[in-house]
Amino acid sequence: DTEVTQTPKHLVMGMTNKKSLKCEQHMGHRAMYWYKQKAKKPPELMFVYSYEKLSINESVPSRFSPECPNSSLLNLHLHALQPEDSALYLCASNPERGGSYNEQFFGPGTRLTVL
Amino acid sequence: GESVGLHLPTLSVQEGDNSIINCAYSNSASDYFIWYKQESGKGPQFIIDIRSNMDKRQGQRVTVLLNKTVKHLSLQIAATQPGDSAVYFCAEFNDYKLSFGAGTTVTVRA
Repeated sequence: DTEVTQTPKHLVMGMTNKKSLKCEQHMGHRAMYWYKQKAKKPPELMFVYSYEKLSINESVPSRFSPECPNSSLLNLHLHALQPEDSALYLCASNPERGGSYNEQFFGPGTRLTVL
Repeated sequence: GESVGLHLPTLSVQEGDNSIINCAYSNSASDYFIWYKQESGKGPQFIIDIRSNMDKRQGQRVTVLLNKTVKHLSLQIAATQPGDSAVYFCAEFNDYKLSFGAGTTVTVRA
């Protein structure tokens, strides 16, 4: 299994809703990432998990809450989002965080619309 | 083939021609530079990377050139095919993070 899967593919939610995005990989990768991508823009890093611990938070608002229950799973819990949070949310993984670069594998993303 | 001296948001290429996509990066301390391809409705897909101590690397139909003097990165695609139509992003790796540049939308004309 050499892919990163994300569910759901599409999500529409109201500003008062609570929802979660899920990401899964079975490649044994120990670093996992959340990115946000607005239309026609490059992906922007949100969070980095290394060995199931949060290592980087790029000053993301607290209405986004990441969670890494185990080495294969990464969740992004959403609460009280704003319409401007509508975007493609991408998950990625790579073999290890370390100081050296390793190729990141991206999932297909979840298209989120906040009404 | 078509080439772009500066970064442009779009590039239209005749099928079979060579394409050159350019990117300027900002951080001299970056260790790696990477090109990703993103097709509509999909996540970014790795194409090729180059370490900062190299100036050229070749893959299958693709070549990446790195000019550290002017902080410039380019991706050359040989014999462009319809399946090459996508958005191409350069990215730099530094301090455990991957930072993406503005993308270039490549459209291949039949």
